[in-house]
Amino acid sequence: GGIITQTPKFLIGQEGQKLTLKCQQNFNHDTMYWYRQDSGKGLRLIYYSITENDLQKGDLSEGYDASREKKSSFSLTVTSAQKNEMAVFLCASSPGGNSDYTFGSGTRLLVI
Amino acid sequence: QEKVQQSPESLIVPEGAMSSLNCTFSNSASQSIWWYQQHPGKGPEALISIFSNGNKKEGRLTVYLNRASLHVSLHIRDSQPSDSAVYLCAVSNYGSSGNKLIFGIGTLLSVKP
Repeated sequence: GGIITQTPKFLIGQEGQKLTLKCQQNFNHDTMYWYRQDSGKGLRLIYYSITENDLQKGDLSEGYDASREKKSSFSLTVTSAQKNEMAVFLCASSPGGNSDYTFGSGTRLLVI
Repeated sequence: QEKVQQSPESLIVPEGAMSSLNCTFSNSASQSIWWYQQHPGKGPEALISIFSNGNKKEGRLTVYLNRASLHVSLHIRDSQPSDSAVYLCAVSNYGSSGNKLIFGIGTLLSVKP
């Protein structure tokens, strides 16, 4: 079986800092996603990519950049961390079409 | 913009009971509807999906979809303490830019021994 790995598991940043989150999958899936999960707000789509070097904006893309330089990896950058921000960032991959997603365990972000 | 709403926000049931979770969505043309399970500190895991009107059964899980009323429900028979988790309803929108899942906020299920 495959695995999807997110690093780091925990990330503490300072206000205004640029922070990068990484995601790797070995399923050979075409499509990868970044979601943000906040308490009481569910999962919101930030960016997704349907193939290497492709990027598609989700509903929450402002304040973020993404990069898909290899099929197996998808990184997300918080361009300027906001003070008191606390959220879980979830990466997922899918073979495409109407298939289910496989999620990583998440990166927990705290900005002080 | 697709909207997905779930009810109840939380549900407590005794071990062995039936758990019933509800989800409404805004676009009758949406493709599949998925249910995901999320345990604390973990990512969501896909449980079951449905595309056609009617019901689908897998083990202790049954899903009912009514596209006319934009409603889908998940029923867990013989609920176990290990079923305690957040359950997320997600609606699939597949287009030329690939497939996107739109998620609801979730229902927190607690099964008491």
